[in-house]
Amino acid sequence: QEQLVESGGGVVQPGRSLTLSCAASGFTFSRSGMHWVRQAPGRGLEWVAVIWYDGSDRYYADSVKGRFTISRDNSKNTLYLQMNSLRVEDTAAYFCARELWGYYGMDVWGPGTTVTVSS
Amino acid sequence: EIVLTQSPGTLSLSPGERATLSCRASQSVSSSYLIWYQQKPGQAPRLLIYGASNRATGIPDRFSGSGSGTDFTLTISRLEPEDFAVYYCQQYDNLLWTFGQGTKVEIK
Repeated sequence: QEQLVESGGGVVQPGRSLTLSCAASGFTFSRSGMHWVRQAPGRGLEWVAVIWYDGSDRYYADSVKGRFTISRDNSKNTLYLQMNSLRVEDTAAYFCARELWGYYGMDVWGPGTTVTVSS
Repeated sequence: EIVLTQSPGTLSLSPGERATLSCRASQSVSSSYLIWYQQKPGQAPRLLIYGASNRATGIPDRFSGSGSGTDFTLTISRLEPEDFAVYYCQQYDNLLWTFGQGTKVEIK
């Protein structure tokens, strides 16, 4: 069964850092592009970042560029999102998702982990 | 950046009725890169349609997608109780992925 499970969410003060993890199982993680997508409370979906299957390329939404870093460890089947200089507006549920190869969509999603940025 | 505008914001229908959801892009989108998702409260999104018209694995055939260029449509032929949810379209262009703001399909 293809599965993604996020962890690492919590409550953090503005300006601080947090790292999210996403553990993959049931598929060949090292052959899959991976995304982070977030959803602020009561709001729609916002794409955050993508990393190629081998980590060779990464791209970010303007709203997080320069503050967030997406990375992966294919030996551990794990995706990461390092979030620095957090802002109140980064408060959201964060989902990791697998890239649907060839169509640039997302076909497997984790249940999400919640990040709350508050003083 | 391509902006996706979904309409209506909310669709109030009864089970058994037909639902027609619109997704309009600010610039032409490759049909291959137009995606539809369903999201229920407290859950992650679920892939419904990819490549504008291809149903994902396990998606019932009452769901269909169509369209090209700047206008895309998701149709649910006969609403089942489990179909009441929020639906998002998503596109890819030039190393950016963007979502529409969503259409809520609610029970009338």
